[in-house]
Amino acid sequence: DTAVSQTPKYLVTQMGNDKSIKCEQNLGHDTMYWYKQDSKKFLKIMFSYNNKELIINETVPNRFSPKSPDKAHLNLHINSLELGDSAVYFCASSEDLTDTQYFGPGTRLTVL
Amino acid sequence: QKEVEQNSGPLSVPEGAIASLNCTYSDRGSQSFFWYRQYSGKSPELIMFIYSNGDKEDGRFTAQLNKASQYVSLLIRDSQPSDSATYLCAVDTGRRALTFGSGTRLQVQP
Repeated sequence: DTAVSQTPKYLVTQMGNDKSIKCEQNLGHDTMYWYKQDSKKFLKIMFSYNNKELIINETVPNRFSPKSPDKAHLNLHINSLELGDSAVYFCASSEDLTDTQYFGPGTRLTVL
Repeated sequence: QKEVEQNSGPLSVPEGAIASLNCTYSDRGSQSFFWYRQYSGKSPELIMFIYSNGDKEDGRFTAQLNKASQYVSLLIRDSQPSDSATYLCAVDTGRRALTFGSGTRLQVQP
């Protein structure tokens, strides 16, 4: 069984569209994260949730909105997609904040 | 100054040699330090973590932590071509999350 899964794996879309990426973890962890990895491979945290509560909301455009329906799921919705949003988005989970994080396979988003 | 700094590389070593990867961090209060490996097109995977000053060994990998000098390093003994990847240092910088360095690309030449 995959510990942290994301869908879709690839997402190609036009500028201005709205899209969602889903993440699920079956590790029983309390904390989940969204990261963005750009073309220079820099991994930057966007959001973290602990027990469904938003803990970190880094300086990202408010076009990005996370939603955590339960502890095992953290989805990312992006409105009005822009070219600069093209990147790989990773979901991760950990037992608690600052514990070892386990990453999903990533979603490669391409905005045309 | 970046919170977590790594040399981007590439660091090129011959097969069988020791690869030494370094990471410095700015927050003296940091308590937890992690090394992740990321193959091209894949997600980061944990290699090891270290919390205390000194060395921690796991197979061919050794993590070294020096809190006074604010650096953490990863040594890979008997490097193999399969070790070729980007190595990410991650540090608990007190922001209730890990901060990742930009990674060092390691190339092991057969």
